[in-house]
Amino acid sequence: SQTIHQWPATLVQPVGSPLSLECTVEGTSNPNLYWYRQAAGRGLQLLFYSVGIGQISSEVPQNLSASRPQDRQFILSSKKLLLSDSGFYLCAWTIDQYSSPLHFGNGTRLTVT
Amino acid sequence: SQQGEEDPQALSIQEGENATMNCSYKTSINNLQWYRQNSGRGLVHLILIRSNEREKHSGRLRVTLDTSKKSSSLLITASRAADTASYFCATDDQTGANNLFFGTGTRLTVIP
Repeated sequence: SQTIHQWPATLVQPVGSPLSLECTVEGTSNPNLYWYRQAAGRGLQLLFYSVGIGQISSEVPQNLSASRPQDRQFILSSKKLLLSDSGFYLCAWTIDQYSSPLHFGNGTRLTVT
Repeated sequence: SQQGEEDPQALSIQEGENATMNCSYKTSINNLQWYRQNSGRGLVHLILIRSNEREKHSGRLRVTLDTSKKSSSLLITASRAADTASYFCATDDQTGANNLFFGTGTRLTVIP
């Protein structure tokens, strides 16, 4: 069966520090991968998606970047965190098929201080 | 923006009652999905309804879709305390990239 791993679960970082969140998927190949951010008590905002290795699309301009160095690995990064980067970050995958459901990881709670 | 909007923002009911949540969206869609999120966790897919469907059932869940009104509803029958969670609708953007845009959610509390 397919599983998605996302780490760390919680992270507290000072303003100006770098960020690296990692997400890996097991049990499937060539998934579509996604990074979402959820502000406290709010809905999800799509940040990045990837349909293949090295292929990254960004939905909103921001202080973050994403990379997909391997088929089932998706990384969210920042060179210098801002206070506004605080939030709950969720990685998700789906099979490369239209109208298929998303499968989410358990998220990373990022607090920038 | 294609992002949906759920109504009400919060709902509190007694165990055994039915819970109805509504979702409105702005542009044409290929499908609409409902997800559930327990506090501090990732989202879990509940049900998908395609634009050519009007109603769909899955266990205690019933989803309706009215594309003319650009709205959907999620009904949970005979609610249980374990149904306490936030519920989100999500719509696609018709670009073919299978990107989903989520609403702000309905926070459901089922009182035992």
